[in-house]
Amino acid sequence: DTGVSQDPRHKITKRGQNVTFRCDPISEHNRLYWYRQTLGQGPEFLTYFQNEAQLEKSRLLSDRFSAERPKGSFSTLEIQRTEQGDSAMYLCASTLGARGYNEQFFGPGTRLTVL
Amino acid sequence: GQQVMQIPQYQHVQEGEDFTTYCNSSTTLSNIQWYKQRPGGHPVFLIQLVKSGEVKKQKRLTFQFGEAKKNSSLHITATQTTDVGTYFCAGPFMDSNYQLIWGAGTKLIIKP
Repeated sequence: DTGVSQDPRHKITKRGQNVTFRCDPISEHNRLYWYRQTLGQGPEFLTYFQNEAQLEKSRLLSDRFSAERPKGSFSTLEIQRTEQGDSAMYLCASTLGARGYNEQFFGPGTRLTVL
Repeated sequence: GQQVMQIPQYQHVQEGEDFTTYCNSSTTLSNIQWYKQRPGGHPVFLIQLVKSGEVKKQKRLTFQFGEAKKNSSLHITATQTTDVGTYFCAGPFMDSNYQLIWGAGTKLIIKP
């Protein structure tokens, strides 16, 4: 257990529905990442927060995806009008520091299945 | 665009044999990180390499960063069943100050 928690662990939804996932990072970590991982691939960057500010989003990310980190603590990732291609594991990771590339601590992930 | 490639995709070994995975970047990296993901688990940080030609050891694991900082390797001596999983390398994405770009991983499988 890294100290990063995600909820729910599994989500099954029908195409076209909206889903929201939550990530609670390690409490003192100011930096938070969302990734998507499909079978046989490495994590794919989705978005990055430093405290409450969303500093980067993947250029490949559809506008159906949105993320927030109010008050710089927990974060939510929402997918609107889900498609079958959104089925994947959604991972959250947190780290500490002002800049640079430090060790990232991953949560257990939320596995999304879109029917 | 920038790519990080890992080979092989899979490696089957007998317990006790050695294992090596190679990571190659299309661009020079300021640093490289290695993670391990057990089956059904999440990535867990192993190490970060920063210096050209750097070699670091963690018990049976040896990590190297190439002189040109475009490649890296992870070598495991005398594999054990606890080593099973997928090993990923990740390096800074050149168009970002925050993103990592990840390889597709090498899956270590112990033959029964």
